[in-house]
Amino acid sequence: DGGITQSPKYLFRKEGQNVTLSCEQNLNHDAMYWYRQDPGQGLRLIYYSQIVNDFQKGDIAEGYSVSREKKESFPLTVTSAQKNPTAFYLCASSRDRTYNEQFFGPGTRLTVL
Amino acid sequence: AQSVSQHNHHVILSEAASLELGCNYSYGGTVNLFWYVQYPGQHLQLLLKYFSGDPLVKGIKGFEAEFIKSKFSFNLRKPSVQWSDTAEYFCAVNGHNAGKSTFGDGTTLTVKP
Repeated sequence: DGGITQSPKYLFRKEGQNVTLSCEQNLNHDAMYWYRQDPGQGLRLIYYSQIVNDFQKGDIAEGYSVSREKKESFPLTVTSAQKNPTAFYLCASSRDRTYNEQFFGPGTRLTVL
Repeated sequence: AQSVSQHNHHVILSEAASLELGCNYSYGGTVNLFWYVQYPGQHLQLLLKYFSGDPLVKGIKGFEAEFIKSKFSFNLRKPSVQWSDTAEYFCAVNGHNAGKSTFGDGTTLTVKP
């Protein structure tokens, strides 16, 4: 089955720790995206990548970092600099940037204790 | 810059009622428009999309949307809702030169049986 996998589904971390969220796709899509979803605020773009070894900041990149070393993988690191990291994180991919129909993973719910 | 505004944050309807969810966008060029849906406990998924051509587009489960370019609108409609339509609905715009999509804040639809 083609699709996007995110792991883990639930993640807990202590304040001050960095944590990395995994996102893998086997759709052969060029573009990948990370969003943060908070109640009443829709999806806000954190980082996106149009091609391997290249990525751009989205609207709320502060306190996050990403890498895109392989086409199928786009991990997101939530650093200790992120002031309010507790949220639901969604990864998506699309075939191209022009039409940009996106396919989403199941999400990771991060809770900072 | 592109932006999206969804007019209704929470809509409550009885089964068989008609639905219209408002969506307005701003972008100074060619756009693609999307409605995504997130059913309880499920992945965010595409409901319908507009790329070009007929401004009235049909999606899954009897939903349709009309692109009115002069009004920068892409409202979602369904003539008769069902309890299973209870979900969160997101409108999104992708400007062809933007390389990314912008999502609205979402509308939670509750359908009473």
